[in-house]
Amino acid sequence: GAGVSQSPRYKVAKRGQDVALRCDPISGHVSLFWYQQALGQGPEFLTYFQNEAQLDKSGLPSDRFFAERPEGSVSTLKIQRTQQEDSAVYLCASSLERTGELFFGEGSRLTVL
Amino acid sequence: AQSVSQHNHHVILSEAASLELGCNYSYGGTVNLFWYVQYPGQHLQLLLKYFSGDPLVKGIKGFEAEFIKSKFSFNLRKPSVQWSDTAEYFCAVSPLNSGTYKYIFGTGTRLKVLA
Repeated sequence: GAGVSQSPRYKVAKRGQDVALRCDPISGHVSLFWYQQALGQGPEFLTYFQNEAQLDKSGLPSDRFFAERPEGSVSTLKIQRTQQEDSAVYLCASSLERTGELFFGEGSRLTVL
Repeated sequence: AQSVSQHNHHVILSEAASLELGCNYSYGGTVNLFWYVQYPGQHLQLLLKYFSGDPLVKGIKGFEAEFIKSKFSFNLRKPSVQWSDTAEYFCAVSPLNSGTYKYIFGTGTRLKVLA
């Protein structure tokens, strides 16, 4: 596709449920980032992939958060045993190179009840 | 820790007024600098970027920003705003050679332009 595609756009989960958020980056983009954006805040870094290698996961808030990009294209962010504080918009961005322009998806808005 | 500060959280202007949004960062090394914009209901998109060279950079829709290394600042400007500039603006920094891969974003400035 022409841009970064994320699904689902909206997800409502009960506390304790597991969720999976998908990101389909722009074809050929080596770098893929996940960010978390809470209401009224800027995007906060979660994790970074270069192709299939997860080179930085320093921003993942707990071991309930897990991300993968097994074939170097589509990525999935999984949150286990969701908590209310996980409610946020999860943004995926891809880039041709590590420090270039980021192309963002529209985000997945997660609401945990 | 590396951080980005945007001093104005909410700005309200009338059409044709001039705009300046402040952005300061904390990192002593080389950086790439960005301003992203998010129009209502849309995704974040690049407004302009600075990698090297002329510290005054021009972006889309008449926006420009000036990198002042001594002040660790990258302020965004537009001489005359339009109603369609109503959006949220984010400053972002990519620290180079820092051992980190993250882009660091400010908390954003919500701009409302009154017609």
